[in-house]
Amino acid sequence: RKEVEQDPGPFNVPEGATVAFNCTYSNSASQSFFWYRQDCRKEPKLLMSVYSSGNEDGRFTAQLNRASQYISLLIRDSKLSDSATYLCVVSRRAGKSTFGDGTTLTVKP
Amino acid sequence: SQTIHQWPATLVQPVGSPLSLECTVEGTSNPNLYWYRQAAGRGLQLLFYSVGIGQISSEVPQNLSASRPQDRQFILSSKKLLLSDSGFYLCAWGGARETQYFGPGTRLLVL
Repeated sequence: RKEVEQDPGPFNVPEGATVAFNCTYSNSASQSFFWYRQDCRKEPKLLMSVYSSGNEDGRFTAQLNRASQYISLLIRDSKLSDSATYLCVVSRRAGKSTFGDGTTLTVKP
Repeated sequence: SQTIHQWPATLVQPVGSPLSLECTVEGTSNPNLYWYRQAAGRGLQLLFYSVGIGQISSEVPQNLSASRPQDRQFILSSKKLLLSDSGFYLCAWGGARETQYFGPGTRLLVL
């Protein structure tokens, strides 16, 4: 079993749709959680950190469920520009981060 | 603000040739630095991690090595490339709370 697993995707949604991605992790000692966005043939960029209380940044909401060991990312009112691969990252400490394989989102007009 | 540079952007090398990829960071001192490799359609695999000059942790045994000759310089090397070394190589520096910020990456194709 992989340490970090993501929905395999791809997700194809129309503009304006709401889409949710889940990510599960196996190591209960994990301390920090993140979502990154990666455009085709580009480097990953930090989208948002995920806190126990949940956090929101505009149309994006991230949540953490430590008991069930999963994190989620919700995107509301999808835009064409949201099309990308979304990577879930789980970290036990500095130097011990594990990346998921990513979920690809395509937003269509 | 912090900036991270990697070069070259693209590299095509024959099997058995040496490799040297360089990464430099500006705007921060004594950063944690990372080398990752990403195979096509896959997640990132951590190769090396450094907390300071001359301090390297290797995560995956392979024919690659890393060095940190200066505080903000991180180099990935190989004496003899294998076909399986092809991939997208990413350097990152560590910010607060294990956040990581990536350079633009180097696409390596070994033929």
